[in-house]
Amino acid sequence: AQTVTQSQPEMSVQEAETVTLSCTYDTSENNYYLFWYKQPPSRQMILVIRQEAYKQQNATENRFSVNFQKAAKSFSLKISDSQLGDTAMYFCAFRLFGNEKLTFGTGTRLTIIP
Amino acid sequence: DTGVSQNPRHKITKRGQNVTFRCDPISEHNRLYWYRQTLGQGPEFLTYFQNEAQLEKSRLLSDRFSAERPKGSFSTLEIQRTEQGDSAMYLCASSLLGGYGYTFGSGTRLTVV
Repeated sequence: AQTVTQSQPEMSVQEAETVTLSCTYDTSENNYYLFWYKQPPSRQMILVIRQEAYKQQNATENRFSVNFQKAAKSFSLKISDSQLGDTAMYFCAFRLFGNEKLTFGTGTRLTIIP
Repeated sequence: DTGVSQNPRHKITKRGQNVTFRCDPISEHNRLYWYRQTLGQGPEFLTYFQNEAQLEKSRLLSDRFSAERPKGSFSTLEIQRTEQGDSAMYLCASSLLGGYGYTFGSGTRLTVV
C-alpha cells in the first residue's frame, strides 16, 4: 500500500517570503503521479500542481514549483513571493498510474503573516 | 461550467438516523469520486464511478454506506443508522477519463449527535 507523509503540521511565513512544504511517500511502483492540493478555510480543495513520475523536470506553475526527488521519494512544494491568499491547508497526494484512487497526506496548515 | 456542487453543505442528525448527500459533477466529467475527511486528516477514498458503474469501493465503505450514480449524472451517498464516528466532511470530486486531477466540491459536513 502507498503512504504519504507530511511531517510539518503547521508553518507560517511573512508575506512575500518563500516557503517550502515537505512531503515524502512510499511505493514500490515506478509509474505514478504526485499532486499538491490547496484547501482554503471553508472552501473547496483545488489542484496547485502535479508531477508525473516519469518526468525528470520539476513542475512549475507561476509562483509554485516542486522539487521531485524520485530516488528519495520526496516531493516538496516551494511557494515564492507568498501572498495572503496562500493561507490554507496544503495536501500532498499520490496516485498510481492506471488507478483512480488518490492517497493524501495529513496536510500542512500554512499561514501567511501580513 | 458551474463546478462540482454538493448538497447540503451541512447536516446535523441524531445517531441512528439515515442521511443522504447529493453530488452534481461537472457535466462533461464521466468519473465521480467520494472521499471522507475527518478533522486533522487528509481525505480518504471511499468509492468512484465511471459513468453509472461503481468501479471501486474502499473497505471504509461499510454495509451502512451506499452510493449510486443513476444515468451517470449526479450521485448520492447514503449512510444508514448513522454513528458518531460517521461525523466528517464528505467530499465529492469529478474528472474526465484520462485526466490527471480532480475537481472537488465544497463538501457536506455531517455531524452526528
